[in-house]
Amino acid sequence: NAGVMQNPRHLVRRRGQEARLRCSPMKGHSHVYWYRQLPEEGLKFMVYLQKENIIDESGMPKERFSAEFPKEGPSILRIQQVVRGDSAAYFCASSPGGDTNYGYTFGSGTRLTVV
Amino acid sequence: AQSVTQLGSHVSVSEGALVLLRCNYSSSVPPYLFWYVQYPNQGLQLLLKYTSAATLVKGINGFEAEFKKSETSFHLTKPSAHMSDAAEYFCAVKGNSGGSNYKLTFGKGTLLTVNP
Repeated sequence: NAGVMQNPRHLVRRRGQEARLRCSPMKGHSHVYWYRQLPEEGLKFMVYLQKENIIDESGMPKERFSAEFPKEGPSILRIQQVVRGDSAAYFCASSPGGDTNYGYTFGSGTRLTVV
Repeated sequence: AQSVTQLGSHVSVSEGALVLLRCNYSSSVPPYLFWYVQYPNQGLQLLLKYTSAATLVKGINGFEAEFKKSETSFHLTKPSAHMSDAAEYFCAVKGNSGGSNYKLTFGKGTLLTVNP
């Protein structure tokens, strides 16, 4: 019974490259959330997706960031033309429904380093 | 809108001593409250949650937290610290009605160090 799977665990990109972060939710979970953890900060909400739909992207930077959760396959968080300030840990979480009274299940995160 | 304040970014205790990690919240609706633990280079693991049932909540690894509405607090405690408790601890709040009730708001975290 695999949990939330994120890959890669560590990703190094040069400034200007693209970063693609993947998240496979727990089996039976159709709701996915992405959070970002900047150094010495708590996690900040980025985006909430259901299959083929973006429900809330209010936490996403307006430029360079996009997210998708296709009908088949993992959810993808894409960062174009990365800059040093994008260096952070990106966590994905999933839940069976949208009103998660019991907290999410988080993945182990992808640690992005921009050099 | 919800917010969380964790007092003390770093707490250091001796092995066997009481652990007290402080969390105060602000919420315009009755909150759901959570404590998560993050070990180095790992994801977040749910320690315990308050969902408007009993005000004293017991979690994993011997931790517990008490919801005090009058103080808007949800402090995390453990009677006797163990070396394996060394980690970062995050308090989080979620509204339980209205829009955005799926969104967790996290505090900045408290790094717990346990000294032998």
